[in-house]
Amino acid sequence: RLQESGPGLVKSSETLSLTCSVSGGAITSSSYYWGWIRQPPGKRLEWIASIHFGGSTRYTSSLRSRVTISVDTAKNQFSLRLTSVTAADTAMYYCARHLTGIRFDSWGPGTLVTVSS
Amino acid sequence: QPVLTQPPSASASLGASVTLTCTLSSGYTDQKVNWYQQRPGKGPRFVMRVDTSGIVGGRGDGIPDRFSVLASGLNRSLIINNIQEDDESDFYCGAEHGSGSNFVALFGGGTKLTVL
Repeated sequence: RLQESGPGLVKSSETLSLTCSVSGGAITSSSYYWGWIRQPPGKRLEWIASIHFGGSTRYTSSLRSRVTISVDTAKNQFSLRLTSVTAADTAMYYCARHLTGIRFDSWGPGTLVTVSS
Repeated sequence: QPVLTQPPSASASLGASVTLTCTLSSGYTDQKVNWYQQRPGKGPRFVMRVDTSGIVGGRGDGIPDRFSVLASGLNRSLIINNIQEDDESDFYCGAEHGSGSNFVALFGGGTKLTVL
């Protein structure tokens, strides 16, 4: 239902770009936001950002200056851009359907992104 | 914003029961919490939501009724009865707090459940 895609290896200081393809339902559902969550090796899940198809966005404060989330309703996709990456951004990245204020109720399988020097 | 604390590991024998606990930081006695299950190599899946009275709404897709929740004070617990082999997973609690620019979604550190 949700599937992440993007490069598995990104060089330090460059920009990480990921896309989540949504199938089996419209990304234009008014009930949902669409979010990104990551999990660095051995660490807890960390919510990054969420977006509503109408354009409303929410970002975690610690990454706000480097993150952009966007939505493409024509392709039923949403995307994440994270600039100036470092080794600390190495993580499994998940996209999820977000009933905001309540729960993430459907998740993709995740994609591993490694930042290399 | 709340902090969610989970013990890193738990174990139980096949067919037994186990209680996994998520403890909220002081002052968040009314905070609702979600439980997520992550099987090895898979993305997390929503299990159920718990408030001070117990389950809120229904279980997630495919979650059997062997799973239940309980709340007491700052603790939000997930109880698994008649444990099966495929229950061996990492379990995370999560919470959402605030609104607008102050919105935050948080997770506990996870509990790795081993089925003996």
